Amino acid sequence: GAVVSQHPSWVICKSGTSVKIECRSLDFQATTMFWYRQFPKQSLMLMATSNEGSKATYEQGVEKDKFLINHASLTLSTLTVTSAHPEDSSFYICSATAGAESTEAFFGQGTRLTVV
Amino acid sequence: AQTVTQSQPEMSVQEAETVTLSCTYDTSENNYYLFWYKQPPSRQMILVIRQEAYKQQNATENRFSVNFQKAAKSFSLKISDSQLGDTAMYFCAFEGNAGGTSYGKLTFGQGTILTVHP
Repeated sequence: GAVVSQHPSWVICKSGTSVKIECRSLDFQATTMFWYRQFPKQSLMLMATSNEGSKATYEQGVEKDKFLINHASLTLSTLTVTSAHPEDSSFYICSATAGAESTEAFFGQGTRLTVV
Repeated sequence: AQTVTQSQPEMSVQEAETVTLSCTYDTSENNYYLFWYKQPPSRQMILVIRQEAYKQQNATENRFSVNFQKAAKSFSLKISDSQLGDTAMYFCAFEGNAGGTSYGKLTFGQGTILTVHP
């Protein structure tokens, strides 16, 4: 299957700072990328849908000014957690699809964010 | 909006035995896709099996098979000859087929933690 690389795998940052997470499709062009958040032993909750060259679409309850998403190319989407606080500590996962019907969504390995 | 429900928070099975994980969903769409994903301790999401709603035949992938009941909106996963490596959290997921940006957009169930005992 296709490969999606997410970086970093884990990050620790101080409260009030910003953190950027990258999601790259390595061997296909990802017209759409998705960002999920997962708390321990819980489900994946969709945060936003990212389309190349356009503004991201955020799910209800997700602060777009706090979670900045940029999809500047067909192989890269970034999620920036701005002014991070301890409650933002979580596991963030991206997925990517080429967009055609019934195309499988490929997942990155996830990023564990800890805000201290 | 679609909802996906997994009513079994935890399940356990002995190695080599068979286990079935339950999933129900709710949607007003007629065409859609259903998935089972496995998330081992590494937390990498791994696709186990996929079912297109317009196909009546249940999908199978080696030891994994589904029982898809469209009218009942039920989509259970059967794991045969369970192996220690099957220990993971399993998620049922729904993907609508409304076109455009719905491709790849998944709604997940709460997950079921499966433990395979030797």
